[in-house]
Parts: sequence; C-alpha cells; structure tokens
Amino acid sequence: EIVLTQSPGTLSLSPGERATLSCRASQSVSSSYLAWYQQKPGQAPSLLIYGASSRATGIPDRFSGSGSGTDFTLTISRLEPEDFAVYYCQQYGSSPLTFGGGTKVEIK
Amino acid sequence: QVQLVQSGTEVKKPGASVKVSCKASGYTFTTYAMHWVRQAPGQRLEWMGWISAGSGSTKYSQKFQGRVTITRDTSANTAHMELSSLRSEDTAVYYCARDPIGSYYYYMDVWGKGTTVTVSS
Repeated sequence: EIVLTQSPGTLSLSPGERATLSCRASQSVSSSYLAWYQQKPGQAPSLLIYGASSRATGIPDRFSGSGSGTDFTLTISRLEPEDFAVYYCQQYGSSPLTFGGGTKVEIK
Repeated sequence: QVQLVQSGTEVKKPGASVKVSCKASGYTFTTYAMHWVRQAPGQRLEWMGWISAGSGSTKYSQKFQGRVTITRDTSANTAHMELSSLRSEDTAVYYCARDPIGSYYYYMDVWGKGTTVTVSS
C-alpha cells in the first residue's frame, strides 16, 4: 500500500501568513490522484482539493494544490482565522486508499 | 442540500458486531458511491471500503476483509457498514462519505458527521 507522510506535523503561523504543507508518497501516485481535506475539532473532514490541483466546489482560491508523482503540496496563500485546522492528504491511485498523518495548522 | 445522516452512538462488547447506517438526501443516491472511513482517537483516517450505490459492487481494504460488510438499500437511499468480531482497537468514529464517481473508488466530496463506536467490556 502507498504510505503518505505529511510534514511538518504542526505549523505555527499568524493570520495573513502563507502556509505550505507537504505530502510525500512512498511510491508514485498514478494520474495525480491525490486529494486534500480540512478537519476542524469535532467535525468531519471536508474536501478541499482533488486531482492534486482542482479546488472543490466553494473552496476559496487562497487554497491551491500542486505536485505529481511522489511529492505534493497544499498552499494556503494568506491564512484566515477559519483556516486553523488539521489537513490530510489522501491518495486514490491504488487500493487501499490511504491518508497521511495530518498537518495541524495552529495560531502562533 | 446534499446530506448524509448517520445513525447514533454505539457501545459494544468485544466479539460483538456493529451496524452503522448512513441515509443520503439531496441527490440521486444510485448515481454515486459511498466510502466508509474510520478515525481512532489520535490516529489518522483509515479507509475501510466502498460501495457503488448503483451496482452494489464493493471493494474492501485488505485489513478489514472478512470482518466488514458494506451494503446499500436503494429504496431507502441508505448505506450500511457492518463490522464483526469487534475488539478494543475498533473504538473509533466511523464516517460515511460520498464518492462523486459512481463506478470506481476515488475521493470523498460529502461526509456524514460520524458515528462513535466504543468497544469495551
């Protein structure tokens, strides 16, 4: 199975700053089948990005995804107060579908 | 609006089975597919399996093969996940999540709020 490693584990930033989150796969993710989710405490995850770079419906353009092969990045251009949360990547290029361990973006 | 409403909290003893339901509304149930994902306390999200709501085809993670059964009832727009031979490590929040592609397993665009399952003697 494909193991996804996210880094850093925690990112401490201030509102207005840029956040760069990494997701590295143990083997190439076919067709850039990678998604990103946001999860706030006590809530279910919500879809941000699919296909490595396509924003889901209603997601603001401050969120962007990039990458291919084994290295993927989620960038939040300017953090808003509601963006402080945990972010997970997920690959769907091969079964079993797998998730990364998450990056927590916290207020500095 | 599109909604997935899950059944309530469950407390089970080791060795028992649990069945969690997920009622869909706001879209044509059989056009899409449904995943089941769990999250144990402090752990990463873990994919358990998938069902095509239209065809009924299923795919399970090898980890749960033989213990998990995912079904759907198209007359009730509901998907079910049954996990048997429960052990303490199965204590988790179980989510259903819609896949926008009905014929294969991809990503999850709408999630239920989750069902807490506690396994304890």
